[in-house]
Formats: sequence, structure tokens, C-alpha cells
Amino acid sequence: DTAVSQTPKYLVTQMGNDKSIKCEQNLGHDTMYWYKQDSKKFLKIMFSYNNKELIINETVPNRFSPKSPDKAHLNLHINSLELGDSAVYFCASSQGMQAFEAFFGQGTRLTVV
Amino acid sequence: AQSVTQLDSQVPVFEEAPVELRCNYSSSVSVYLFWYVQYPNQGLQLLLKYLSGSTLVKGINGFEAEFNKSQTSFHLRKPSVHISDTAEYFCAVSGAGGTSYGKLTFGQGTILTVHP
Repeated sequence: DTAVSQTPKYLVTQMGNDKSIKCEQNLGHDTMYWYKQDSKKFLKIMFSYNNKELIINETVPNRFSPKSPDKAHLNLHINSLELGDSAVYFCASSQGMQAFEAFFGQGTRLTVV
Repeated sequence: AQSVTQLDSQVPVFEEAPVELRCNYSSSVSVYLFWYVQYPNQGLQLLLKYLSGSTLVKGINGFEAEFNKSQTSFHLRKPSVHISDTAEYFCAVSGAGGTSYGKLTFGQGTILTVHP
């Protein structure tokens, strides 16, 4: 039973398109995150939500908009995709905001062509 | 601000040999430290964490790490590795307070390859 699941696993799309990545966790956690892993393997936090409220919003272009319909879901919508958006996006969840033990999904490899 | 440096991008070892993966961090506040492992085509999994107390922490799969505050290091060790330990390992730091509270900052990862 997958704890944190992301869909799709792979996403190839053209520049200028709008796409969404979905994330669901069945751990009962109250905090969810989106991380971006770039081509140099650096993982950087993008957003975090606690009880559906945006808590962390790092310097991310406005084209990226997270949506949390409930505590178990945190979706990432990206408008007007650019080549530089190509990366692996990881969703994660934790109990509380301390991120003491974050559980990660498998990642979504986004390729913009 | 905080940062993490993993000093080796790749570490090849033979099966049953000991291994150490090095991690240094910088932070202006007290920190919590973590090691995560990523097996091929899987998400990151927590190996071990240091929050407070004993500086030697033990994790899953026989791994351990030692927090050295004076050297700002948190190196990961295993006395005898198995083929199944082949994976990428990420060191991470989270602030224990301040603006970095609740944020994990990761290093670039170290690919551990265990050869038979």
C-alpha cells in the first residue's frame, strides 16, 4: 500500500503547455511538500502545506501553483512550461511542520521539449 | 541560510567492505540532520536522523552516523556493505528554529555502488 503516490511517473510535454502533477498520501499526515530535483541532483523545497494552508513558498515562478483540496492531497499545476522546468518533482508528507521524518513519493520526471 | 555538501559524488566499494559517506553542513542555527536513501526508481526513504542527545545514531539496514558539531559533519558509515546497499544517499539538514525550521536542505547525493 503506497504511502505517498504521485501521478504521472513520467511526463513529456511541449513548451508552453499547462500540466498538473497529482500527489496523495494515506499516512494521515497534516503537512505536504513539493521538492524539485534539478539536473545536478540538488533537491530543493518549493512549497509546503500544513492542514491545507500554504506555509512555505520558496522563490518559485508564479507559473507554479500548488493546490491542496484536502490534507491528503497536494497537486502541482504548472502553466506555460519552459525548458528549464525539466526536472524530477517529488511530493512528500510529514506529521507536523518539523519535517523530522518526511515520506517521499517516487517522483515525477518532467521533460519539456 | 543553511547548506549541505556531500564530498563524494560516487563511492565504489566491494561487498563486505566498510564504507563512509561524507557530509558537511553549514547553518546559522541549531540543526537536525538526516540521511535519506533513494533506490532506483523509488522515492527517498529515511535511513536515520539526529535530533538531539547521543551524537552516534543508528538507522535501518545497519547504517550509523555521527554528529560532530565542531567539524559540522554528519558522516554515514556501515561496517560491511551488501550488494543491496547500492543506491544514492542524500544528506539533509533542517533548522531547529528560525526561518529554516521545517525545511529540509539536501546535499547533491552520493552514489554508492557495491561490487561483488
